[in-house]
Amino acid sequence: DGGITQSPKYLFRKEGQNVTLSCEQNLNHDAMYWYRQDPGQGLRLIYYSQIVNDFQKGDIAEGYSVSREKKESFPLTVTSAQKNPTAFYLCASSALTGGSTEAFFGQGTRLTVV
Amino acid sequence: DAKTTQPTSMDCAEGRAANLPCNHSTISGNEYVYWYRQIHSQGPQYIIHGLKNNETNEMASLIITEDRKSSTLILPHATLRDTAVYYCIVRVTEGGATNKLIFGTGTLLAVQP
Repeated sequence: DGGITQSPKYLFRKEGQNVTLSCEQNLNHDAMYWYRQDPGQGLRLIYYSQIVNDFQKGDIAEGYSVSREKKESFPLTVTSAQKNPTAFYLCASSALTGGSTEAFFGQGTRLTVV
Repeated sequence: DAKTTQPTSMDCAEGRAANLPCNHSTISGNEYVYWYRQIHSQGPQYIIHGLKNNETNEMASLIITEDRKSSTLILPHATLRDTAVYYCIVRVTEGGATNKLIFGTGTLLAVQP
């Protein structure tokens, strides 16, 4: 089946450790996105990428890093510099055809840092 | 960047039409309006999008005002499963390339039995 997959669904880490969240898509989409969602709030953009080996910061990039070595994959690393890493993380992808294409979302990874 | 504003919450009776408004007064001519919904703890689901004309699909209808500064998502016969947070999004472009999606505040639609 075509789609976008995030793993794991739940992740627990100790404070001070880096952690990498996986996002894979087989939709042949050029663009991929990472969002963060806190309880009762909307989605905030962390990073996005339009092409392999290129990415741009979103509104809340501090404390996060990404890579885009393959078109299908856009992993997000939550570093120890992120002050409040506990959140729900969502990955999305879309085609790039001038604006009239919808984004597809994964089911999210819930990260808890203790 | 064009931003969107939506009411925080709305109620709707089951079987009735749900009309969800969105303001996007700074939208530019080549930016599309998208609607998504998110059921608790799941990824957002695409509903519909449009540029200038009204649009309809199997899920909903989208009405965009002539000046494009606001739009309304219509769920014609709301069911309990339509209870979700609905996001109105404007597709932002930079340098001629389509890229980031900026989410608004979202409206929590509660469908009442």
